[in-house]
Amino acid sequence: DTGVSQDPRHKITKRGQNVTFRCDPISEHNRLYWYRQTLGQGPEFLTYFQNEAQLEKSRLLSDRFSAERPKGSFSTLEIQRTEQGDSAMYLCASSHHRLTEDTEAFFGQGTRLTVV
Amino acid sequence: KNQVEQSPQSLIILEGKNCTLQCNYTVSPFSNLRWYKQDTGRGPVSLTIMTFSENTKSNGRYTATLDADTKQSSLHITASQLSDSASYICVVRGAPSGTYKYIFGTGTRLKVLA
Repeated sequence: DTGVSQDPRHKITKRGQNVTFRCDPISEHNRLYWYRQTLGQGPEFLTYFQNEAQLEKSRLLSDRFSAERPKGSFSTLEIQRTEQGDSAMYLCASSHHRLTEDTEAFFGQGTRLTVV
Repeated sequence: KNQVEQSPQSLIILEGKNCTLQCNYTVSPFSNLRWYKQDTGRGPVSLTIMTFSENTKSNGRYTATLDADTKQSSLHITASQLSDSASYICVVRGAPSGTYKYIFGTGTRLKVLA
């Protein structure tokens, strides 16, 4: 296992198009997180999954955004009708959650989205 | 409101010098605090993780301190190298009884010059 992998690494799309990103977490990590990071800022929480259940969504996640983790392994983040303001780095992280603590979150390299 | 604030926003130092980055947080209840290093265009990589009972932890030339009473942490980098140029992000994890998300600071951008 080589860590969290994200695909694609870079995506350029025209405004109004739909895009989908994929994240493959570390094997057997039951928690998966999506973050968005704009230039010069720290990552902002979007949503997270415990296995296949989406437990929390940020208000940053507008109705144009949807995330899934259908089998509790990989996850997809889809943005519909992209806007220029969606241009950012989208980071995925995973961790293994236990009842009282969990492992550190390991991050993928991110998908850099540019909406033109 | 659960927040994490870092200072300075950016820092330029000469190779071989030491520096200290600061992190103040208001997350409560608190579970742990982590420092991540993020190279440009890449995902964050963990440097240290500290629980509320730990005061200091080292990882090579990186030493993190934590004062859970004042809700402050620092990251000290000794004998800086050019490869230390990156953003350093403080991340606070709330306790299960409160928010369970990772809350990120905006980071300190460090530039080490030859």
